[in-house]
Amino acid sequence: DGGITQSPKYLFRKEGQNVTLSCEQNLNHDAMYWYRQDPGQGLRLIYYSQIVNDFQKGDIAEGYSVSREKKESFPLTVTSAQKNPTAFYLCASTPTGGYTEAFFGQGTRLTVV
Amino acid sequence: AQSVTQPDIHITVSEGASLELRCNYSYGATPYLFWYVQSPGQGLQLLLKYFSGDTLVQGIKGFEAEFKRSQSSFNLRKPSVHWSDAAEYFCAVGGRNTGRRALTFGSGTRLQVQP
Repeated sequence: DGGITQSPKYLFRKEGQNVTLSCEQNLNHDAMYWYRQDPGQGLRLIYYSQIVNDFQKGDIAEGYSVSREKKESFPLTVTSAQKNPTAFYLCASTPTGGYTEAFFGQGTRLTVV
Repeated sequence: AQSVTQPDIHITVSEGASLELRCNYSYGATPYLFWYVQSPGQGLQLLLKYFSGDTLVQGIKGFEAEFKRSQSSFNLRKPSVHWSDAAEYFCAVGGRNTGRRALTFGSGTRLQVQP
């Protein structure tokens, strides 16, 4: 079945450590996105990529980094510079050429301990 | 810049009652509009979308929404709520420009269903 796989589902990190969240899709979509979700704030865009080897900052990119070396993969690194990293992270994708809805993974809950 | 407002943070309805969740958007032209639903700890599932044409759109699980350009609204409705509809609902807007295609989301409305 086609879809978006995020791993791990739960992640714990010590303060000061970098951590990488995985996002893989087999939908053959060109564009991929990372959102952060906090209670009462909806989803906020961190980074997005419309094509391999290219990505753009979203609204809350500080303290995060991404790469897009393959069409299928768009990993997100939460760096030690992110002051409040505990949140639910969602990866999404859309095809390019025309417009359609975004397809979402099941999310990764990151907790800083 | 585009934005979405969902005025109701939390709504409680009785099972079998009708439901309307409000959504207002800000966008310079006719936007793409979406409603998503999220169960706790899960990703988002698309309920319905509006791109163009008929302003009343039907979605999954018996939901519908009406695009009202004059009110910049895209309210979600269901005539009879089931206990399984308890979840968080997000309205989202997408731009028609080819630059940034990422959706902008509202802050969500949490629906509680009483037996």
